[in-house]
Amino acid sequence: LAKTTQPISMDSYEGQEVNITCSHNNIATNDYITWYQQFPSQGPRFIIQGYKTKVTNEVASLFIPADRKSSTLSLPRVSLSDTAVYYCLVGDTNTGNQFYFGTGTSLTVIP
Amino acid sequence: EAQVTQNPRYLITVTGKKLTVTCSQNMNHEYMSWYRQDPGLGLRQIYYSMNVEVTDKGDVPEGYKVSRKEKRNFPLILESPSPNQTSLYFCASSLSGAENIQYFGAGTRLSVL
Repeated sequence: LAKTTQPISMDSYEGQEVNITCSHNNIATNDYITWYQQFPSQGPRFIIQGYKTKVTNEVASLFIPADRKSSTLSLPRVSLSDTAVYYCLVGDTNTGNQFYFGTGTSLTVIP
Repeated sequence: EAQVTQNPRYLITVTGKKLTVTCSQNMNHEYMSWYRQDPGLGLRQIYYSMNVEVTDKGDVPEGYKVSRKEKRNFPLILESPSPNQTSLYFCASSLSGAENIQYFGAGTRLSVL
């Protein structure tokens, strides 16, 4: 099963670039990598999704190396409103579409 | 507006009293799922459904039931709630399964006394 491992927490100053790495050693050939953001007492919200190499949207970038056993979410110039929990998710098509969110990475942005 | 709607948002009940948390989506999504979130344990999947009349167990299905009689609705049923089911529950839906983006409801905070 393609479970993921992320740092439990990170701190960053406003305006800095933040990189959160996720390990998914057992990722299957057909699995995509998706990142979600969650604010307290709200449902997770989609940030970015990728399969390989690099993906960029208006919010973040996602870097995936060739072996796909890890991925890095990059948040450019974070602000206080980026303080949230970030989840790396790998869809496990081998088990019929079961999902494992894990505990995520709690990012705190400091003024 | 595309959304996933859960009801109720807050619920306090007593041990053993059957309850249902409703979930409805208006995006014609095939895939729907229930999660619970507890401090230090993150989000854990309870049940999911690939389509009407098709449901499967997630990571923590014990004590829960679901049904998918219509595409838009996916209720979560606690036949005999216990205090260890006190949690924050989220319903989600996506176009299909693992490769698709999930859209989450606002959550239901359940307390079982």
